[in-house]
Amino acid sequence: AQKITQTQPGMFVQEKEAVTLDCTYDTSDPSYGLFWYKQPSSGEMIFLIYQGSYDQQNATEGRYSLNFQKARKSANLVISASQLGDSAMYFCAMRERNQGGKLIFGQGTELSVKP
Amino acid sequence: GAGVSQTPSNKVTEKGKYVELRCDPISGHTALYWYRQSLGQGPEFLIYFQGTGAADDSGLPNDRFFAVRPEGSVSTLKIQRTERGDSAVYLCASSSEGGAADTQYFGPGTRLTVL
Repeated sequence: AQKITQTQPGMFVQEKEAVTLDCTYDTSDPSYGLFWYKQPSSGEMIFLIYQGSYDQQNATEGRYSLNFQKARKSANLVISASQLGDSAMYFCAMRERNQGGKLIFGQGTELSVKP
Repeated sequence: GAGVSQTPSNKVTEKGKYVELRCDPISGHTALYWYRQSLGQGPEFLIYFQGTGAADDSGLPNDRFFAVRPEGSVSTLKIQRTERGDSAVYLCASSSEGGAADTQYFGPGTRLTVL
């Protein structure tokens, strides 16, 4: 079974609007972390935001926020006030405590911001 | 401070040859990770070092792949008898401790092409 599922291969958003990128996950480990990374066409993976499984509040980092719904096992990324520079691939990833250090990534969502 | 660096940025080799890919982590980071990213996919875990030792090498696809980190800093991923299927971007990441909440910071990757 897929551990991380990103169902949107591609998304379009108008500049200055908000967009939500979906991510669902599957784990039986009660302790885990969820991460979002951005990968522009240059190829480097850029860390955006982290949510721990025991965190009571949704994580926020500037224009990025994570809509964490634990019971649904979803961790959607919300980008507010989209900018042209937000056009990139976005990856959701999970790290389970009982699996050590490795991150498990989803297939990614390609976001295109239109002017 | 400097981020994670990887050399070379591009490597073209012929089937059957041996290659070495180098990763220089962020100074002071004890944990180091290698991932492989095929075109259109999310990164896949290969191996994780905590200090000098490989804490988890479960992602190495076969015995042609080997990685070392002899002094707990720079790491080298070694691929013997390369095959066309080894063509991918090899990403290295480092983190300060390796715990579940620990954020991994990625290098720019090495694009390996096996002809």
